[in-house]
Amino acid sequence: GEDVEQSLFLSVREGDSSVINCTYTDSSSTYLYWYKQEPGAGLQLLTYIFSNMDMKQDQRLTVLLNKKDKHLSLRIADTQTGDSAIYFCAESRGDKLIFGTGTRLQVFP
Amino acid sequence: DVKVTQSSRYLVKRTGEKVFLECVQDMDHENMFWYRQDPGLGLRLIYFSYDVKMKEKGDIPEGYSVSREKKERFSLILESASTNQTSMYLCASSLSQGSNTIYFGEGSWLTVV
Repeated sequence: GEDVEQSLFLSVREGDSSVINCTYTDSSSTYLYWYKQEPGAGLQLLTYIFSNMDMKQDQRLTVLLNKKDKHLSLRIADTQTGDSAIYFCAESRGDKLIFGTGTRLQVFP
Repeated sequence: DVKVTQSSRYLVKRTGEKVFLECVQDMDHENMFWYRQDPGLGLRLIYFSYDVKMKEKGDIPEGYSVSREKKERFSLILESASTNQTSMYLCASSLSQGSNTIYFGEGSWLTVV
């Protein structure tokens, strides 16, 4: 179908790495995005990757893109309690963004 | 800083009422979007607009309409609210066609009773 899919929940211990996975559908997507939503707030753009890249690193965040499998992942190193939020992946289709269901990351001490 | 402002954070409306959700952006962006967010469904696009007086249907336009009379303002209208429209509504904007950054407002929680 046309869905961008993510698992709904992820729970990690503080200090560990978190890996949030996403599968998308449109092989012609130019950009793929990760957004973060904290409780009661809108979405903030965390990072994005251009479709001709395999990997992008930005401080504690690493994005991996497997175009063959249409798989995108976000790794958060040294996860902190402040990273607890919902994380959405999104793919660009023309001028629209199509979002996944969101993964709720819970970080426990 | 880009600012997308949704005028109402929390609304409670009765079934059958007409509801207006207002969104304003201050960065002269061409594109504006309305999404709704529901648990387990992520964000779904309702309508978007490339320019003043232009609108395009998104994935779930039924029961909604929009208005873009000025570039900075994009309104979402529920002509006759129903309980299944209880949701979080998110407005967003981006600079132009092909822009790779979309900015979101804080969201409007609408409850229809």
